[in-house]
Amino acid sequence: GAVVSQHPSRVICKSGTSVKIECRSLDFQATTMFWYRQFPKQSLMLMATSNEGSKATYEQGVEKDKFLINHASLTLSTLTVTSAHPEDSSFYICSASPAGTNEKLFFGSGTQLSVL
Amino acid sequence: DAKTTQPNSMESNEEEPVHLPCNHSTISGTDYIHWYRQLPSQGPEYVIHGLTSNVNNRMASLAIAEDRKSSTLILHRATLRDAAVYYCILRPYNTNAGKSTFGDGTTLTVKP
Repeated sequence: GAVVSQHPSRVICKSGTSVKIECRSLDFQATTMFWYRQFPKQSLMLMATSNEGSKATYEQGVEKDKFLINHASLTLSTLTVTSAHPEDSSFYICSASPAGTNEKLFFGSGTQLSVL
Repeated sequence: DAKTTQPNSMESNEEEPVHLPCNHSTISGTDYIHWYRQLPSQGPEYVIHGLTSNVNNRMASLAIAEDRKSSTLILHRATLRDAAVYYCILRPYNTNAGKSTFGDGTTLTVKP
């Protein structure tokens, strides 16, 4: 079945540094990928929609200069948390579904970001 | 502004059936009903989805109300591994680009 691979699974960084998270669709092409963040005991909050070859669409209240999204190919989207601060510590998850379908979403395994 | 509402938590005994309800009264004619579940520290996992008719797969069954304003996920025999947060979401038909909003989900506890 379709798989979405997300790396790293866990990252610890110092305040002020930038962190890049990768999301890959391993056996299908994804023109669109979604990025979520999740705080403990809370639901997934959609941050942005990543579009291959064009700019990402950010949800209201999400700083696009803070959370840089690049979707350079049909199988890879990256989320870069720039100048990370402790309040950016969260669980980040990506998802995608095969292009041209209304099929189910496949989710990455998530990235736990801890900013010291 | 989640489009679905679910009970915060439910409990079940192992080996017994579980019925997880979801209300989506503002569903549009082009929305599919999807169910996912999430274990701690993992990404969500697909469970089942449907449009109008009831659906069955190896994991669960999905019963959809005739007016499509509610649905029920049915786990026929709950196991300890079914303990998770279950999310019901709506996804637009015929596009993989439609975004979906997650509600709070239902935390299912399975007692041995």
